[in-house]
Amino acid sequence: GESVGLHLPTLSVQEGDNSIINCAYSNSASDYFIWYKQESGKGPQFIIDIRSNMDKRQGQRVTVLLNKTVKHLSLQIAATQPGDSAVYFCAETSPNSGYSTLTFGKGTMLLVSP
Amino acid sequence: DVKVTQSSRYLVKRTGEKVFLECVQDMDHENMFWYRQDPGLGLRLIYFSYDVKMKEKGDIPEGYSVSREKKERFSLILESASTNQTSMYLCASSDRGNEKLFFGSGTQLSVL
Repeated sequence: GESVGLHLPTLSVQEGDNSIINCAYSNSASDYFIWYKQESGKGPQFIIDIRSNMDKRQGQRVTVLLNKTVKHLSLQIAATQPGDSAVYFCAETSPNSGYSTLTFGKGTMLLVSP
Repeated sequence: DVKVTQSSRYLVKRTGEKVFLECVQDMDHENMFWYRQDPGLGLRLIYFSYDVKMKEKGDIPEGYSVSREKKERFSLILESASTNQTSMYLCASSDRGNEKLFFGSGTQLSVL
């Protein structure tokens, strides 16, 4: 049979809806977080970042929320469009990670229906 | 805009072959990275370099080596390719003291 581990968590939304993609991290020392978007056949692209001295940051149609108490990060996409369909990764780093190495989550696939 | 260019989009190699994956960045970044990406496992760091001729092992360096003879170029070498090295390989770069990575488009390597 198929391995569950091969399947990405998937979020399916309708065009125009708001999307929320979640990410949990385990390192309480992590102090910088990034969201990346990866479209099919392309490398990951930077979307938005946030440092641990903030709990919210907004970009164009995107908002990142950070809850350090429960070690949780979310990406909110307003008025989701078909072009937003992609895999979204969170990444984190901490002061003791050495030479700026990021640790990536497994990713969430966002599917937007017209 | 930062451009990270990987020399090949698709590669097919035979088991035992020596394979070179090339990456070039045009923004004078000090740091360069090689990741592999596999379904269900996400991105895993193979090697990185923070300066010319410097290299550091990542999480999964076994079976790989790297070369950084020039600042803009970072090569990943598979000394003797094996089928379990079939994967998407992603190169990335970043500026010193800046954690934000810029990625290339990836090389899909198939080892038969």
